[in-house]
Amino acid sequence: GAGVSQTPSNKVTEKGKYVELRCDPISGHTALYWYRQSLGQGPEFLIYFQGTGAADDSGLPNDRFFAVRPEGSVSTLKIQRTERGDSAVYLCASSLRAPVAGGTDTQYFGPGTRLTVL
Amino acid sequence: LAKTTQPISMDSYEGQEVNITCSHNNIATNDYITWYQQFPSQGPRFIIQGYKTKVTNEVASLFIPADRKSSTLSLPRVSLSDTAVYYCLVANSNYQLIWGAGTKLIIKP
Repeated sequence: GAGVSQTPSNKVTEKGKYVELRCDPISGHTALYWYRQSLGQGPEFLIYFQGTGAADDSGLPNDRFFAVRPEGSVSTLKIQRTERGDSAVYLCASSLRAPVAGGTDTQYFGPGTRLTVL
Repeated sequence: LAKTTQPISMDSYEGQEVNITCSHNNIATNDYITWYQQFPSQGPRFIIQGYKTKVTNEVASLFIPADRKSSTLSLPRVSLSDTAVYYCLVANSNYQLIWGAGTKLIIKP
């Protein structure tokens, strides 16, 4: 079946601009995660959705970052007034159920969107 | 806060067995240990997960001693295509997986 897809695959923008990154999770997956990954580092958790609501947004670095999942499927990560430090690969993952005790929930990742802020 | 420590990098040769050890001294009683693999320009991919003793699937084995303070991912007879970054993960109190920098495994011919 179809995996997690993300668009665009690459996005180049100028400092101060607004960008939107899209994630299409696996059909039927209730949980959706956004991560940010810098070169040579592991993924950094940003936000997690359970259905339509953000269940944990503790990883969002500041109020320039915002994400929505209005119908409980597709999600959009929005970054306002982009800065050069926002340049990274933004990964989306989905899982069948919500995270549970023990961390047993398998996450399926998309290929990521490479964001470059000039 | 539970976290993991693993080697930054490892080298091996085709056909060898590779063992990557991860320490997680503060693992919680109900935490599982999960390993993901990541190739360049791709998202991470689940490899294996275990709670105690030994787990084996079609690609790897996971050995967890009784004290669960460490675990070892074993890749049998590696090939060049096993060159990747391998992450050892446990969950935090919000059940979110904690990602470190991983182990960069390079397989040589």
